[in-house]
Formats: sequence, C-alpha cells, structure tokens
Amino acid sequence: DVKVTQSSRYLVKRTGEKVFLECVQDMDHENMFWYRQDPGLGLRLIYFSYDVKMKEKGDIPEGYSVSREKKERFSLILESASTNQTSMYLCASRLPGGWYTFGSGTRLTVV
Amino acid sequence: KNQVEQSPQSLIILEGKNCTLQCNYTVSPFSNLRWYKQDTGRGPVSLTIMTFSENTKSNGRYTATLDADTKQSSLHITASQLSDSASYICVVSQNYGGATNKLIFGTGTLLAVQP
Repeated sequence: DVKVTQSSRYLVKRTGEKVFLECVQDMDHENMFWYRQDPGLGLRLIYFSYDVKMKEKGDIPEGYSVSREKKERFSLILESASTNQTSMYLCASRLPGGWYTFGSGTRLTVV
Repeated sequence: KNQVEQSPQSLIILEGKNCTLQCNYTVSPFSNLRWYKQDTGRGPVSLTIMTFSENTKSNGRYTATLDADTKQSSLHITASQLSDSASYICVVSQNYGGATNKLIFGTGTLLAVQP
C-alpha cells in the first residue's frame, strides 16, 4: 500500500514564525500536492509538484511556498505564519493520472 | 463555474439502517468522480472511482452511482455500522489530459451512525 506520511499530526505556532510542514511518500510517485481543509470550504489546492525541482501554484498559494528537492519529499513552508493559516493541511501523492493517496493531515494552529 | 455540491450537509441514522448521500456537479470537462471517506482528524481515503461510462460501482457495503447526463452521483451505504461515522466527500476530476487533471472537492456530508 502507498503510504503518505506527514511528520506532525498537531502543531501550534506563533504569529510570524516560519513553519515547515513535511510530507514523505514511499511509492516513487511523481506528483505531490498540498491542500488545506477548512469547515464549509472543502479541500483547496495550495501548491503541487509534478516532479523533483518542479512546483506549480494551486488555487490559494498566497502566504505559502514549497520545496521538492527529492522525489519522495514535498515540503510546505509558511514564511511568516498568520492566524488565518490555522487549518488542517493535507498532503497527497499519485502517479500521473492515477489515484490520489492522502496523508493523515497536520492540524496547524497559529496563535 | 466548476462546482461540486453535496447533500445533506449532515445526517444521523441508526445502526443497521441504510442511507444515501447525494452529489451534484457542474465540472467540465469531466474525467471521473470519486467518493472519499474521511474519519475525524484523518486524511480522506478513497472508496470508489467512476468514469464517464460507469453507472454503478460497489465496494463492500458502499455502492456509488453516476448519471453523467444529469451530472449526479449518489453513495448508498447498506446496513450501516458505527464505524461508518465520518465525512463523505465527493470529488470530481476535471480533464485537462493526463497528469494535469484538476480535482474539484465537495464540502462533504457528515454522517453519524448511532447505536
């Protein structure tokens, strides 16, 4: 089974801090994605990557950046965390055209 | 506008009963439709995936239907169990070809199964 692992289940950070959310997948998937999930809004795409060193903006990239130095790892970076970035963050991966497999999520609270 | 709407927003049923969740979409061009189950505090897990030509697909006690003409899908749960309590999310894939498909997510139906 494909496994998508997000390093933290819960995080609490202060406003203005730089935050790194890590995601690792173990099935050699080319495509990786970062979503945030908020009540009543569903999942919204922040950034995605089709391969190593590649990144594309999703629907809501403002305030975020990403890094894909290795195929198995896709990091989401909040340069200066703000309270409106309090959310559930979900990482996903897939083979091109294949099924999406999601991680268990990281619930981030910015205080 | 590409949208996926689900109903009801929430549902409470007794253990052992059946239920049906609805999904209407306006996504174009359509590639496929998936139903995901998301337990509280967890990531979504895929239940079924249906392409344009498929009308019905089952996965154990879960049966999904798709009417591509009316752009409607349903997820039927038979003989519900307490472990079915979760959020069920309808997701439509917008077809740009190959790796560039875009997912449009519904906001989910929250199902609570009570003993």
